[in-house]
Amino acid sequence: GQNIDQPTEMTATEGAIVQINCTYQTSGFNGLFWYQQHAGEAPTFLSYNVLDGLEEKGRFSSFLSRSKGYSYLLLKELQMKDSASYLCAVIRGTGGFKTIFGAGTRLFVKA
Amino acid sequence: DAGVTQSPTHLIKTRGQQVTLRCSPKSGHDTVSWYQQALGQGPQFIFQYYEEEERQRGNFPDRFSGHQFPNYSSELNVNALLLGDSALYLCASSSNDQPQHFGDGTRLSIL
Repeated sequence: GQNIDQPTEMTATEGAIVQINCTYQTSGFNGLFWYQQHAGEAPTFLSYNVLDGLEEKGRFSSFLSRSKGYSYLLLKELQMKDSASYLCAVIRGTGGFKTIFGAGTRLFVKA
Repeated sequence: DAGVTQSPTHLIKTRGQQVTLRCSPKSGHDTVSWYQQALGQGPQFIFQYYEEEERQRGNFPDRFSGHQFPNYSSELNVNALLLGDSALYLCASSSNDQPQHFGDGTRLSIL
């Protein structure tokens, strides 16, 4: 089976740094995505990790440890527009890839 | 270059009816996945189509069926609608195991 866990909600202050954790249990792991979803909108791609380590892209970084089944998304220099849900998604399978999403973490950025 | 397009944007149906949702993938993408997203939840994988065949399927009943056409566009059909089928239905397209690009979704309301 598969299980993806991430905190339901987080609150942080504008200009600060926040780390959103994701743990997963799945067979046939092939990579992990982070998506951002604003209320009423479609998810938009943020990052993709397939190997262990840190991937940095501007204010956003994502880390993966396959042996621990663990990832985090790091957001720096928080802006009000970063208030959104952040979805951790695991891609699994071969010869056909199934993406399994966590329930998402709602981030509230306050002034 | 158009991204993923879905139609209609909103739809209202009554219990027992049938519905067809449509999706055109992003140019260059050959794989289409469908997701159901209830309010406050992450997207739930329904199924994935590649080369006009269902390649992967999530934990959804047979009332949910689909089709992919030679031009890679896809349809999601739901029969015998239930109140619990009310949700945002997202289509995502990709190529190989690259990140999926999502459409804006179809919001389906069942009365």
